[in-house]
Amino acid sequence: EVQLVQSGGGLVQPGGSLRLSCAASGFTFSDDYMDWVRQAPGKGLEWVGRIRNKANSYTTEYAASVKGRFSISRDESKNTLYLQMTSLKTEDTAVYYCAKEYQTDWFDYWGQGTLVTVSS
Amino acid sequence: DIVMTQSPDSLAVSLGERATINCKSSQSVLYSSRNKNYLAWYKQKPGQPPELLIYWASARESGVPDRFSGSGSGTDFTLTISSLQAEDVAVYYCQQYYNTPWTFGQGTKVEIK
Repeated sequence: EVQLVQSGGGLVQPGGSLRLSCAASGFTFSDDYMDWVRQAPGKGLEWVGRIRNKANSYTTEYAASVKGRFSISRDESKNTLYLQMTSLKTEDTAVYYCAKEYQTDWFDYWGQGTLVTVSS
Repeated sequence: DIVMTQSPDSLAVSLGERATINCKSSQSVLYSSRNKNYLAWYKQKPGQPPELLIYWASARESGVPDRFSGSGSGTDFTLTISSLQAEDVAVYYCQQYYNTPWTFGQGTKVEIK
């Protein structure tokens, strides 16, 4: 059974940093592209970024809204995906989801989500 | 960026009746050489992550009831729930995976009339 179990999140002040984790199991983590998607309170879904697999050199892409502030990485030895967030803004307040891509296409599995609140 | 626009924003349908949600992309998401539309539909209940319903615009994910169907091509797509059940109350999103940044429609809230 595929599982994506998220941790991290919480309250952080504007300008602060936070790291989210997403522990994967039930599939060959190293084979798949992984993404982060966020959802501001009461709003729709916004793609944050993705990290490719080892075969594609773990390259990353980011949404313009987070480029230069957020960084996605993965640890194959721990089957874990990370989202490092720096220079956080109030508009980054959202539930953050990790998601697995099906063969670089749609999202077939999602984590449970974790709330990040940026507020003074 | 490809802009995805859903209509309506919300709809109320009686139990057992049909619900239809539209999704329009700002440019075609049809990959001609593969003859596939790079369009997915998700369902999201309050407090839960989205769940995949449809991919390639019309292929139903395993385990999804057959009352859910997707259609359309190019820039215009439709999600149809043929006979609304109580458990279908949710927000539905379309998403294009033709080009990054992946983009979603704004969502359509489906309620019981």
